[in-house]
Formats: sequence, C-alpha cells, structure tokens
Amino acid sequence: DTGVSQNPRHKITKRGQNVTFRCDPISEHNRLYWYRQTLGQGPEFLTYFQNEAQLEKSRLLSDRFSAERPKGSFSTLEIQRTEQGDSAMYLCASPRGTNTGELFFGEGSRLTVL
Amino acid sequence: GIQVEQSPPDLILQEGANSTLRCNFSDSVNNLQWFHQNPWGQLINLFYIPSGTKQNGRLSATTVATERYSLLYISSSQTTDSGVYFCAVESAGNNRKLIWGLGTSLAVNP
Repeated sequence: DTGVSQNPRHKITKRGQNVTFRCDPISEHNRLYWYRQTLGQGPEFLTYFQNEAQLEKSRLLSDRFSAERPKGSFSTLEIQRTEQGDSAMYLCASPRGTNTGELFFGEGSRLTVL
Repeated sequence: GIQVEQSPPDLILQEGANSTLRCNFSDSVNNLQWFHQNPWGQLINLFYIPSGTKQNGRLSATTVATERYSLLYISSSQTTDSGVYFCAVESAGNNRKLIWGLGTSLAVNP
C-alpha cells in the first residue's frame, strides 16, 4: 500500500460523456501529480500541484481536461466530452517521507471510452 | 528534452535465472527511480537511486550519473517478478516531473 488512493478504479463511458477521477494523496505532502499511461507506453506527465496551486500543465492536457485541488488535499481530474483517444490509465502520485524526489503512485483509474 | 532509453524491450527468463536491465538517459538528472508495474497496473517503487548502488533482497541497482546510465539486477528470478520494469528520471532543470522510458517487459516462466 503506497498510501495514495484513487477512485474509481475502472470507468467505462460513452463518447461525449464527462468523467471525474479522484486522488487522495499521502497526507503530509503538499505535492501531487497526475500522469496518463496508454498501452505499451510509460506514464506521461499531465499536471502537478503544490498545495492548491496548479504549477505546471502538459500540453497533453487539452481544454477538455481540468484538474483541481481545492483545499490542498485531495485532487480531481475531470475530462469533458470524452473521446476514444482518452482511453488510458490515469495515475496519481505523491512523495512520501522526507525524500520529496521519490514518488509513490496510486493504483490508477482505468478509463475506457466506447 | 531528456530522452530515456531502456533495454532490452522484452525478456523471457526461466525461474531462477539472473538478469540485468539497463536505462540510458541523455542529460544530467536530479533523480532516477526504478518501478515495477504488475499485471494489474500498479506501479511499485523499487529504488530511488540518483547515484551509487542499492540492494533490496534479490534486487539491486546501480546508477553511474557521470556516464548517464543505470542498471537493475534481478537475481534468482521468480514468476512474481513478471511485469514491466520502468526507469524514470527527473531532469536537472528541476521541473519536478518524471520522464519515463518505454520499459522492459519481463516474463519469468516456471
């Protein structure tokens, strides 16, 4: 158990629907990351937060994607008007302990867009 | 941006065999991590190793930062070692994000 929890674990939706994923990170750390992983690839960076501030966004994060971390604790990633190309595993990560360079990942939320 | 290359892309072993996985990176890094992704998709930290050598049971890793590579050694492999092994680096520009290789897919047969 990495201490990072994500839900839902699996989501199947029809094209055009909106979906939201939630991440509850390791509580004592102020940094939180979202990554996306497609089949046969390594994870790709999407965005990261320091407390409630979204400090960097990848150009992979189109205007249909929005991420929030309203109180600097849990985070949500919403995808509007889903497309089949959005099908992927969405991963959340947080540091743990005093080594803030070492990231620990949740189990991921797997999205399938039909 | 920094490039991360892993080799071999695929590896098949008999249980009990040893193996070495390699990660090359194209520029200076702040940190390097090795992960194992199990068949259910969970990424498990193996090593945080920006330089030097670490050991954890049957696994060990060495990073030679000056030569821009890292090695992951698996000894006496077990079927539970199967999965994909990823190397990920944070570039020295300190942009706080990990750049990943494509992974080495390992299958250990009984």
